[in-house]
Amino acid sequence: QKEVEQNSGPLSVPEGAIASLNCTYSDRGSQSFFWYRQYSGKSPELIMFIYSNGDKEDGRFTAQLNKASQYVSLLIRDSQPSDSATYLCAVPPGSARQLTFGSGTQLTVLP
Amino acid sequence: DGGITQSPKYLFRKEGQNVTLSCEQNLNHDAMYWYRQDPGQGLRLIYYSQIVNDFQKGDIAEGYSVSREKKESFPLTVTSAQKNPTAFYLCASSTTGGYEKLFFGSGTQLSVL
Repeated sequence: QKEVEQNSGPLSVPEGAIASLNCTYSDRGSQSFFWYRQYSGKSPELIMFIYSNGDKEDGRFTAQLNKASQYVSLLIRDSQPSDSATYLCAVPPGSARQLTFGSGTQLTVLP
Repeated sequence: DGGITQSPKYLFRKEGQNVTLSCEQNLNHDAMYWYRQDPGQGLRLIYYSQIVNDFQKGDIAEGYSVSREKKESFPLTVTSAQKNPTAFYLCASSTTGGYEKLFFGSGTQLSVL
């Protein structure tokens, strides 16, 4: 089992819809969870992080964490074509001071 | 402006050749990292360094070497022992306690001739 798993997609949603991106992780000791966005041919940038169970909202983005189910998700409300990118879930396994990345979900927002 | 500079943007390697990818940062970050990204895959850690003159192997260090003689610089050498070097290479940095919040360079695309 991979340490961090994501559906590779591609995921297509119409403009204005909610995009839901999912990530599962294998290490129950993981305490923090990160979402990076990567536009095609560019480098990743951090857009969200969450430490506690529940929801964390930042503008149009909401991160949701369920530690019991080892599941973290990213919701993008009112999706825009500019949100079209690959979204990478990243988790530091246990006490390791480094990140393990999922393979990413490619999102396309259709005008 | 502070940031991370990677060069070159594109690099071609002949068989049996060693090539070096440059990474320089002026963010005053202690920690630096090298990741490899293959098409449709996530980032895999090659090497990382928390402090000058010290570095550790990541998940896929075989066929690569690094040095950290200066805080600002963390060059990566892809040796001839790396048989499948074609990939997008990303350098990143972070504060010592902020390893989760990585700042990335613009990347180097390495291809084999």
